[in-house]
Amino acid sequence: NAGVTQTPKFQVLKTGQSMTLLCAQDMNHEYMSWYRQDPGMGLRLIHYSVGAGITDQGEVPNGYNVSRSTTEDFPLRLLSAAPSQTSVYFCASSATGTGYTGELFFGEGSRLTVL
Amino acid sequence: DAKTTQPPSMDCAEGRAANLPCNHSTISGNEYVYWYRQIHSQGPQYIIHGLKNNETNEMASLIITEDRKSSTLILPHATLRDTAVYYCIVAGYNQGGKLIFGQGTELSVKP
Repeated sequence: NAGVTQTPKFQVLKTGQSMTLLCAQDMNHEYMSWYRQDPGMGLRLIHYSVGAGITDQGEVPNGYNVSRSTTEDFPLRLLSAAPSQTSVYFCASSATGTGYTGELFFGEGSRLTVL
Repeated sequence: DAKTTQPPSMDCAEGRAANLPCNHSTISGNEYVYWYRQIHSQGPQYIIHGLKNNETNEMASLIITEDRKSSTLILPHATLRDTAVYYCIVAGYNQGGKLIFGQGTELSVKP
């Protein structure tokens, strides 16, 4: 199993550009979520999904869109990038129901710089 | 979800036990205590979780007070590789997708 895979690992954008951060997991997990981490700060939840077709907002959803068309994929879209969105983005997944172990599995992160 | 309070930083000597406290005085009856750690800029790593009984695994032990208002994560023999930020999180069971991370405790293990 590859676990949680994020692409790209690094990206530089100009203000106003749009882009999509990709996240894929091969563990058949129902839960998936996106976090951002600013320098010296803890993780903040952006959006999460409890299954295909279901998404909800986290702590800091403004400026981001998500969709969940398949169990495996949970892309994060930046509609119009702003310097305040410069951050490291982490995708995570977790089993649910009888398969829940209490563990949230994280990707390696995507480092985004908006100029 | 209940909030948690952790000291911002702690030091520990290599080979000694590291005891990381967490206060969660507003925890509700069906909420669990989860511990994660983040080494440098990697993605957080799950350590352990519990409801009211003490828990132990290959990485650490979790001691939860009887009133459940606080807990302690114990790394029995800290090594330099345990230097990391440790997060204490309170959440309902089966809430893995939307855990709310606070600021955590930065543990420095020193030779």
